[in-house]
Amino acid sequence: DQQVKQNSPSLSVQEGRISILNCDYTNSMFDYFLWYKKYPAEGPTFLISISSIKDKNEDGRFTVFLNKSAKHLSLHIVPSQPGDSAVYFCATASSGGSYIPTFGRGTSLIVHP
Amino acid sequence: EAQVTQNPRYLITVTGKKLTVTCSQNMNHEYMSWYRQDPGLGLRQIYYSMNVEVTDKGDVPEGYKVSRKEKRNFPLILESPSPNQTSLYFCASSLLPGAGEQFFGPGTRLTVL
Repeated sequence: DQQVKQNSPSLSVQEGRISILNCDYTNSMFDYFLWYKKYPAEGPTFLISISSIKDKNEDGRFTVFLNKSAKHLSLHIVPSQPGDSAVYFCATASSGGSYIPTFGRGTSLIVHP
Repeated sequence: EAQVTQNPRYLITVTGKKLTVTCSQNMNHEYMSWYRQDPGLGLRQIYYSMNVEVTDKGDVPEGYKVSRKEKRNFPLILESPSPNQTSLYFCASSLLPGAGEQFFGPGTRLTVL
């Protein structure tokens, strides 16, 4: 059973608008959450992360929100740019010693000019 | 330039013919891992290594072997490849395990006929 779910396989957004990518998890032991971005023919690259002691982390146009009670996190991209078109993976981990990060299946974001 | 390199990038082989995919990182990271990416399944960890001579199974280790004789190298070995191992493979390294940001290689697309 999936411990990390990205329920939207794809998302299409107009340039300049907000992109919101969602991720749900089931294991309350996860206390660290990361987003990776992947372009075709390249490996994933780290984008932004958040620990469970926070509910928001911002880095330029990218903000991650964490709702621990709902076991839900989201990535907001504002404003969206065509270069943001990529597959975004949500990943969760436990800082308590688990060495196996769990990845979601990814959401393909397309930003239209 | 800090990077993770993988070779080969593309490989077509036949069932049962042993192969090795090499992975090397130049960031002096202790933690390295191998993932496979399959359509609709996201990234699944095959094996990971905490340091030289320390390796352990991830979520999908069957049919794979790894070794970590040097800190920088972490080869993935398929002793007897089968068609269900046709996939896109990524090597990754990080300074910290689990919750640490991972740096991924460019990927190796393997086809087993």
